[in-house]
Amino acid sequence: DTAVSQTPKYLVTQMGNDKSIKCEQNLGHDTMYWYKQDSKKFLKIMFSYNNKELIINETVPNRFSPKSPDKAHLNLHINSLELGDSAVYFCASSQDRAGGINEQFFGPGTRLTVL
Amino acid sequence: GEDVEQSLFLSVREGDSSVINCTYTDSSSTYLYWYKQEPGAGLQLLTYIFSNMDMKQDQRLTVLLNKKDKHLSLRIADTQTGDSAIYFCAEVGNQGGKLIFGQGTELSVKP
Repeated sequence: DTAVSQTPKYLVTQMGNDKSIKCEQNLGHDTMYWYKQDSKKFLKIMFSYNNKELIINETVPNRFSPKSPDKAHLNLHINSLELGDSAVYFCASSQDRAGGINEQFFGPGTRLTVL
Repeated sequence: GEDVEQSLFLSVREGDSSVINCTYTDSSSTYLYWYKQEPGAGLQLLTYIFSNMDMKQDQRLTVLLNKKDKHLSLRIADTQTGDSAIYFCAEVGNQGGKLIFGQGTELSVKP
């Protein structure tokens, strides 16, 4: 059973288009995240939701809009795609407990290429 | 600020030990983590250490933590070709459980 799944795995699109990436977790976790990994493999958090509520919003352009319809899903919509948005986007989830290790489980990634 | 630094590459021969080093800045992190990323895959938690520990051993893996110097290392004994991957050191940031990752160390194991 896939714990954290993302669709699509690959996304190739033209500059200026709008696209969405979907993420689902079946672990019963309360917290979900979106990370961006650039071409140098550097990984940085973009957003975090806890029980459908936005709790982290790093300095991400407002062309990126996360949406959490329920605590098992966190989708990422990107408007007006730019060349610099090309990256691998990872969804992750965790069951945050005070004092716990709060392991984050990652999806397989979505490789976005903007032409 | 929150910052985690690692060297980018490490190459070892099969059977040797590998040591991957990491420095971090946020001394309030309760846990420090090592995540592994195999080619074309997401990250997977490899091991972690609680901040009041100096060392943790888990089979072939040894984690050393020097809180004074804010230095974390991961030693892999008897490195195998299947250990070839990118290893990320991470600490928990001061907001909402976000992970602050190092740049990742690409470990290459040669037969």
